[in-house]
Amino acid sequence: EDQVTQSPEALRLQEGESSSLNCSYTVSGLRGLFWYRQDPGKGPEFLFTLYSAGEEKEKERLKATLTKKESFLHITAPKPEDSATYLCAVVYISNFGNEKLTFGTGTRLTIIP
Amino acid sequence: DGGITQSPKYLFRKEGQNVTLSCEQNLNHDAMYWYRQDPGQGLRLIYYSQIVNDFQKGDIAEGYSVSREKKESFPLTVTSAQKNPTAFYLCASSRRRGRRDEQFFGPGTRLTVL
Repeated sequence: EDQVTQSPEALRLQEGESSSLNCSYTVSGLRGLFWYRQDPGKGPEFLFTLYSAGEEKEKERLKATLTKKESFLHITAPKPEDSATYLCAVVYISNFGNEKLTFGTGTRLTIIP
Repeated sequence: DGGITQSPKYLFRKEGQNVTLSCEQNLNHDAMYWYRQDPGQGLRLIYYSQIVNDFQKGDIAEGYSVSREKKESFPLTVTSAQKNPTAFYLCASSRRRGRRDEQFFGPGTRLTVL
């Protein structure tokens, strides 16, 4: 079964304490992976697109990486304003031969001042 | 400013009523999508449209209907046939057809059934 799993479900960090969020997937025919940030009660905000293993993207304190089985969102020296839920979404070819996009359930990140 | 707008922000529905959620984009994007978000679950696709006057069912289309008469607009109707409509509804658009383009989301509509 095609699956996208994010871990941990929730993560609390002290301000300045670097860490990583994980998005693992069991799909065939990966076509791309997206990272989004979502604040409570708002729509997701696009962060990164990764298309192939080995690719990396950076934006401010965030860095996304991709392997054949998973993606990591590294956050360096986070600030309280980085607190949000981070979603990943995977584009792949389904068993029926069509392109599908599946979202993970997200990691809720809290940065404590 | 280019973007996606959804209205209303909050919507209350009595059982047995149909309600329509609005989604408008001024990004000149071809494709538009409707998702439903429930606590503890990933976003689930309700309907999508890749071109005007055409749309396809997503994974959870039962109890919902859509139209795409204009490129900018993709309204979603939640019908009385939807058994559990209370959720956060998100509209999105992407520049091109196909799922490999990043999708940009509106602010969402929270629907509550009374």
